[in-house]
This record gives sequence, structure tokens and C-alpha cells, in this order.
Amino acid sequence: GDSVTQMEGPVTLSEEAFLTINCTYTATGYPSLFWYVQYPGEGLQLLLKATKADDKGSNKGFEATYRKETTSFHLEKGSVQVSDSAVYFCALSGYTGNQFYFGTGTSLTVIP
Amino acid sequence: AAGVIQSPRHLIKEKRETATLKCYPIPRHDTVYWYQQGPGQDPQFLISFYEKMQSDKGSIPDRFSAQQFSDYHSELNMSSLELGDSALYFCASSFSATRNTGELFFGEGSRLTVL
Repeated sequence: GDSVTQMEGPVTLSEEAFLTINCTYTATGYPSLFWYVQYPGEGLQLLLKATKADDKGSNKGFEATYRKETTSFHLEKGSVQVSDSAVYFCALSGYTGNQFYFGTGTSLTVIP
Repeated sequence: AAGVIQSPRHLIKEKRETATLKCYPIPRHDTVYWYQQGPGQDPQFLISFYEKMQSDKGSIPDRFSAQQFSDYHSELNMSSLELGDSALYFCASSFSATRNTGELFFGEGSRLTVL
């Protein structure tokens, strides 16, 4: 079945460091891919998405490119801030769209 | 803009009691999803509804049931509560026309604590 495998955390970075959180997927057909962010005590918020191969999603300095050849959707940010501290979830929407499959989440802590 | 509304935000129950969570989707969204997120865990899909009919079922225990009403709001009923049911329960909604390309919009969650 469809699934998402996400880099395990926690990840601790200094402010202005480069961030990469790996995400790979298994799916039949052509899924849509998402990154969600969850700040402490809050619900999940969409960070960015890509709906077809080679699409690049971007938002708030974060980017991720839908790579069909490597079945990956890695999240990157060139310079993280303390306010980026949160849990990041990679997610996949299957062909039928009836379910979203989430990765296990990666906790990011950015220290000043 | 209107978001997904969940109530109550916090709920404390004793073992073997019953709890009901409510979810009001974004206006014009016709699909509702329920997720359970245990401490430090990723959200686990429970069940979804499209146009008031169950459309998909995940890891929802038999002690739980859910439905979507004519105004598209949904309720998750949980009976014979167990300690392990303590979790954050998220509702999400989407619009079917963008189902496999559009994102889910999540509520802030209902935190259930079973004592």
C-alpha cells in the first residue's frame, strides 16, 4: 500500500543553519505530496505541496521538489530561524484521494 | 477565513465512559476526515466521510463510531473509553473536486484524556 518514510529526529540546528529533512514515498499511480508543520499545542498546517513530478513546492523559505525517479520529496531551507522549531510531517495523498498517509514526523529545534 | 472548528478542545473522561467530539468543516467542503494522534506519534487515519456517507475506514476501533450530518458537520463517538484512547483527535476537511491534489485543512484538535 501507499506509505511515507520520513527521516527520524529529533533534529537540533543553530539559527541560520541549512535544513534538510528526508522523505521518500511508496505509492501506486501518481500521488500528491505535502509537507505539514505542527507547532506546539496546535493543529497541522500545510507548509507546501507538489501535485506532479518535478513540481517544486515552496513557502516561507522552505522548498521541496517532487522527484519521481527517486520517489522523494525532501524538505529544505537555506537558513532556519528559531521560529521554525516545530514538528514536520511529510504526507501523501493517494490516487483516489480518500486517505492521507503521514510520515512519523521530524521534530526540529532551532537554537539561537 | 473560516477554518475547521472542533469541540470541545479539551475533554477529561473516566475509563469505560463515553465521549463525543464534534467537527465543523470549512464551508462548502464536503469531505471530513478524523485522525488520532498519540503523544509523540504521527496522525493515524480513523475514518472519512464524503457527502454524509462513509468513504474510507482506517484504524478506527469498533468502540468508536462516526457520522456526517446533513449540514456536513461530523461527530466521533467513543464508548467504553480506555486509557490508550488518550490522544489528540484531529478533524480535517477538503473539497472533493480537488481531492487528490488539494490539501486537507485541519482543525486545532480535541485533546481527550482518559483517567
